[in-house]
Amino acid sequence: TQLLEQSPQFLSIQEGENLTVYCNSSSVFSSLQWYRQEPGEGPVLLVTVVTGGEVKKLKRLTFQFGDARKDSSLHITAAQPGDTGLYLCAGDGAGNMLTFGGGTRLMVKP
Amino acid sequence: NAGVTQTPKFQVLKTGQSMTLQCAQDMNHEYMSWYRQDPGMGLRLIHYSVGAGITDQGEVPNGYNVSRSTTEDFPLRLLSAAPSQTSVYFCASSQHSRGNNSPLHFGNGTRLTVT
Repeated sequence: TQLLEQSPQFLSIQEGENLTVYCNSSSVFSSLQWYRQEPGEGPVLLVTVVTGGEVKKLKRLTFQFGDARKDSSLHITAAQPGDTGLYLCAGDGAGNMLTFGGGTRLMVKP
Repeated sequence: NAGVTQTPKFQVLKTGQSMTLQCAQDMNHEYMSWYRQDPGMGLRLIHYSVGAGITDQGEVPNGYNVSRSTTEDFPLRLLSAAPSQTSVYFCASSQHSRGNNSPLHFGNGTRLTVT
């Protein structure tokens, strides 16, 4: 089983602060996806990174895939209350299985 | 667009009862999967299917059965419910199998409690 570890598990910050969420593994993934989940709903895809070293930006969110394709990070600049939610990374590895990390629960206080 | 539809939204079972969680998608997706979500453990894959008539086990398949008789439907059956199966269950589909990095589209989940 390929494992993905996310850190931190919980993060509570004030509006306007910056933050980084990490997703690490000892396994290599062909791609890595980031999802955001709100209470009572299923996760929704934010981004897919495929190439080692790739950086993708989505407004105030910056996603990076590690050079060795074993890890990824999500950086949020000037967080807003609307960014509150559960952030999940997921890796495409061996076989037809997408493996999820344990998630980072983010709360942004106004 | 309906996307991925799961029923029921909530269910309470007694230990030993059986039930089927329904999942349907209207996007003609090849790949469908079932996950369970427990606090602090993210999403764990139960079973998946790469097309009609084809199913395979994920990380935590014990106690669950699936079938894929049509492209649209992928029901999850609990054979004899146990308290350890209390969880939120998500069905998800993608256009292609995992090797194509297709995004997963999730339903809104079924919250199951086994007493």
